[in-house]
Amino acid sequence: ETGVTQTPRHLVMGMTNKKSLKCEQHLGHNAMYWYKQSAKKPLELMFVYSLEERVENNSVPSRFSPECPNSSHLFLHLHTLQPEDSALYLCASSQVTGTGDTYGYTFGSGTRLTVV
Amino acid sequence: ILNVEQSPQSLHVQEGDSTNFTCSFPSSNFYALHWYRWETAKSPEALFVMTLNGDEKKKGRISATLNTKEGYSYLYIKGSQPEDSATYLCAFPYNQGGKLIFGQGTELSVKP
Repeated sequence: ETGVTQTPRHLVMGMTNKKSLKCEQHLGHNAMYWYKQSAKKPLELMFVYSLEERVENNSVPSRFSPECPNSSHLFLHLHTLQPEDSALYLCASSQVTGTGDTYGYTFGSGTRLTVV
Repeated sequence: ILNVEQSPQSLHVQEGDSTNFTCSFPSSNFYALHWYRWETAKSPEALFVMTLNGDEKKKGRISATLNTKEGYSYLYIKGSQPEDSATYLCAFPYNQGGKLIFGQGTELSVKP
């Protein structure tokens, strides 16, 4: 366990399903992130909740919807996904200072998502 | 568009060999440079966060150097062991506030 817990570890869903990925950290960090890794591509930042502000990558389709109810929990709601959305979804947390400096990320183990 | 480049993409070495690989990043608006190790079926693990030009950090047999003026960092592994086999990622903050842009990684395989 790294201090960041993701569930589920594996998920298979149909294109018409609605599902949610969950991430939880009890490290006292004030920023949480969703990253996507597709085969042979770098980790791609999807969403950030940092110092209570949500920042998103404008290229993320609206079928992905994040939710951060408090500083310890982060969700990624999935709706009408496409097969090309199949990937590893990683959650991470970090401590960001008031000047914007960040220490290293702590990552969860990821959710391997398959859309059929 | 910020680009973080790593080379080589993959590396195969024998146990005991020393090895190094490179991360290139934009030299303007530098905040920090991160290195992570990602073993198969595990989570990426932070190795170093480097902020000062000329900085050198060490963790056991692994060390890293940083040149912010020319925009590169080297990661060195001395006397590679099979347990060093992993993908090594470097990452560069998009701006202040924690948003990291990752390179594609260098996949290291150490054979006994």
